[in-house]
Amino acid sequence: DVKVTQSSRYLVKRTGEKVFLECVQDMDHENMFWYRQDPGLGLRLIYFSYDVKMKEKGDIPEGYSVSREKKERFSLILESASTNQTSMYLCASSFGGRGNEQFFGPGTRLTVL
Amino acid sequence: AQTVTQSQPEMSVQEAETVTLSCTYDTSENNYYLFWYKQPPSRQMILVIRQEAYKQQNATENRFSVNFQKAAKSFSLKISDSQLGDTAMYFCALPIRGGSEKLVFGKGTKLTVNP
Repeated sequence: DVKVTQSSRYLVKRTGEKVFLECVQDMDHENMFWYRQDPGLGLRLIYFSYDVKMKEKGDIPEGYSVSREKKERFSLILESASTNQTSMYLCASSFGGRGNEQFFGPGTRLTVL
Repeated sequence: AQTVTQSQPEMSVQEAETVTLSCTYDTSENNYYLFWYKQPPSRQMILVIRQEAYKQQNATENRFSVNFQKAAKSFSLKISDSQLGDTAMYFCALPIRGGSEKLVFGKGTKLTVNP
């Protein structure tokens, strides 16, 4: 079975802190994604990576950066956390190519105080 | 830009009955995939069903089937013989471009199956 894991289920941080969210997949997928999920807004793509060290901005990249140094690991970084970044963060991965299923992690619920 | 609209924020159905979740979308592409994903409470999101636009036959996966109407840009999900385990958020999704691996998701429909 494909497994996508995220470093924390719940995280509480203070405004201004630097926050790292880690995602690891074990199926040698080329693609990895970070989404933000908010009630009534669905899922919105923050960043997409299609290979090691390669990334593309999604719909809402402001305030976020990403790092993909190894194929299996994709990190989301909040350089200076703000209260409006309180949300559920979902990581996903997939094989390259059209129409491939995305496999999701369990999510990290981040609260910024 | 591609858009996906799910007009039913919440729905409920009795166990064993059939329910249909609606999804409409906008795209200028001719060939693309459409997806339905399911997110059970406190559990990981999983793929329910996918449809390739050039295929006229509607996709089916056990109790889940779609009604795909390309001209109308409609992609509804039918769940037959609803089970308590079908209680979840359901999201319709479409690639941002025909050949893209990035998806745009609808806002979701919260489905509750009642015993």
